[in-house]
This record gives sequence, structure tokens and C-alpha cells, in this order.
Amino acid sequence: GENVEQHPSTLSVQEGDSAVIKCTYSDSASNYFPWYKQELGKRPQLIIDIRSNVGEKKDQRIAVTLNKTAKHFSLHITETQPEDSAVYFCAALNQAGTALIFGKGTTLSVSS
Amino acid sequence: DAGVIQSPRHEVTEMGQEVTLRCKPISGHDYLFWYRQTMMRGLELLIYFNNNVPIDDSGMPEDRFSAKMPNASFSTLKIQPSEPRDSAVYFCASRLALGSYNEQFFGPGTRLTVL
Repeated sequence: GENVEQHPSTLSVQEGDSAVIKCTYSDSASNYFPWYKQELGKRPQLIIDIRSNVGEKKDQRIAVTLNKTAKHFSLHITETQPEDSAVYFCAALNQAGTALIFGKGTTLSVSS
Repeated sequence: DAGVIQSPRHEVTEMGQEVTLRCKPISGHDYLFWYRQTMMRGLELLIYFNNNVPIDDSGMPEDRFSAKMPNASFSTLKIQPSEPRDSAVYFCASRLALGSYNEQFFGPGTRLTVL
């Protein structure tokens, strides 16, 4: 089945710096890759997603890139702010295209 | 819509006791998922349903775990007997079936502590 690896597990940056989180997936048939943000004690919430027919997508300070050949995708956050501090999860659809399989998460800490 | 609803929000029980977690998906959503979150394993998919039918339960860790969805608006995850290593946050999530790209919405989670 689908397997998603996520790195790094923790990331500390200074306010204003950029942060990059990387994920790899195993099933070449996967075609949908969302990113979820989970604040402390809260539920995961979708922040951005990308489909396999595009290589990059941007939404204000966040962007995702996808390399289908290498089977990896990345989340880029620019001009980080303290409120970006959270756990970020990448995910990919399973082989059947019905369920999301998540990476183990990256704890991002932005210090001011 | 109130979103995905889970109860209880917190559960503390003793080893060996039965635990039942409850979920109400967003009205009209066809898929319902149960995930378990721990520091070591992150978000693990336990089981999911489509139109109340279990599709894949390969993530259920042991026979002590069972899940049901008797109707479109209610699902339960039961652990019997519970063990300390079952301590985790259990999330329920739902989404529309139309297309593969519909957003998956999570409930607030149930924090389970087994003493």
C-alpha cells in the first residue's frame, strides 16, 4: 500500500525565515497531495493541496511543489510568523484513491 | 453544519475496560475515516467506511479494536479490552465521495488515556 515519508520531524526557524518540509510517497498512481496544519490541541485542517497534473501551487505565503518522477512533494512557507508554529502533515491518496495516508508530521517552531 | 462531531472529548479508563468512541460525520458525506494519532506513529488510518460499509480495516491494530457504522450519521470505534498502549488521540474524519479531491474534514478528536 501507499507509504508516505516526511522530513524533518522537527524544524526551528526565526521569524521571517523560510521553512521547507519534504515528503516522498511510494505509489506512483497517487494523484492528490494535501497538506494539513494541526495547532496544539486542535484538529488537523487542510491548508493547501496539489493534484498530479500541476507542478506547483501557491497561496500567499505557502506553496507546494510536486515532482512526480521522483515521487516527492514539498511545502514551502515564506516569511514565517509565530502563528505558523504547528505540526504539519503531508498526505497522499492510497492505491484505491479513496483514503489519505499521512506522513508522521513535522513540528515547526517559529521564534520571534 | 456543525462539522464532524466526536464524543467524548476525553476519556480516562482503566486497563481491561471497554471503551467506545463515537462520531457523527458531516451530513451528506459518503466516506468516514478513523485515525489514531501518537507521537511515535503520527496519524495512522485505522479503518474507513463508504456509504456505511467498511472498505478497509487493515489498519486496525488488533482484534480488540472494532468499528461499526449502523447508519449514515453515526459510527463507533470500540476497544475491548483496553490497554495502556491504546492511549492516543482518536480522530474521526469525513468527506464527500464525488471525485477523489474533496477536502477531508476532521473532528475534534477523543483523547484516550488508559491507566
